[in-house]
Amino acid sequence: GAVVSQHPSWVICKSGTSVKIECRSLDFQATTMFWYRQFPKQSLMLMATSNEGSKATYEQGVEKDKFLINHASLTLSTLTVTSAHPEDSSFYICSADRDSGNTIYFGEGSWLTVV
Amino acid sequence: RKEVEQDPGPFNVPEGATVAFNCTYSNSASQSFFWYRQDCRKEPKLLMSVYSSGNEDGRFTAQLNRASQYISLLIRDSKLSDSATYLCVVNSMDSSYKLIFGSGTRLLVRP
Repeated sequence: GAVVSQHPSWVICKSGTSVKIECRSLDFQATTMFWYRQFPKQSLMLMATSNEGSKATYEQGVEKDKFLINHASLTLSTLTVTSAHPEDSSFYICSADRDSGNTIYFGEGSWLTVV
Repeated sequence: RKEVEQDPGPFNVPEGATVAFNCTYSNSASQSFFWYRQDCRKEPKLLMSVYSSGNEDGRFTAQLNRASQYISLLIRDSKLSDSATYLCVVNSMDSSYKLIFGSGTRLLVRP
């Protein structure tokens, strides 16, 4: 069964609204989680590293005020896409680091469509 | 230059064929290497890690050439169920253990 769970799997929202995606580690504590974005026929691009109890580390070119990341507990990280626009429509996927980098598990991903 | 480069394919092969995928990476300091499989509209799943000495898992064989910064995946006796996109992944072992993904090579196995 899944060890990292994402919710929702699919979401459609209107332009200008905000959407929150949750990433949970189910049977282990994850001090570090990662958020990726994948556009059609492209590779997964790391957006940010989510650190429990501290600020996320964003990759170059990713707007931290637009993609809010909160990692308030050892089993939950959330990504909020604020003021969403159609160009934000993408596959968002998280991963959690188990065993300090030796085992990384992915969530099932979340498809976001902004209309 | 992309950090991890792959031939996008698609590779269209008959069942039973042997197919090989190649990947190059740009960061000579990279320490860990993986092949992931991604089915359409799904999350990537780890297929196998790649070790310096080369390693095999059933029909799958992975090779690493650090000098050339080159990784390969060989699939023998292809099955229909092998149809997927294969992602070459490099873990740059900085403090955040980031995974860097290639854009993937698509494999289609036909009956």
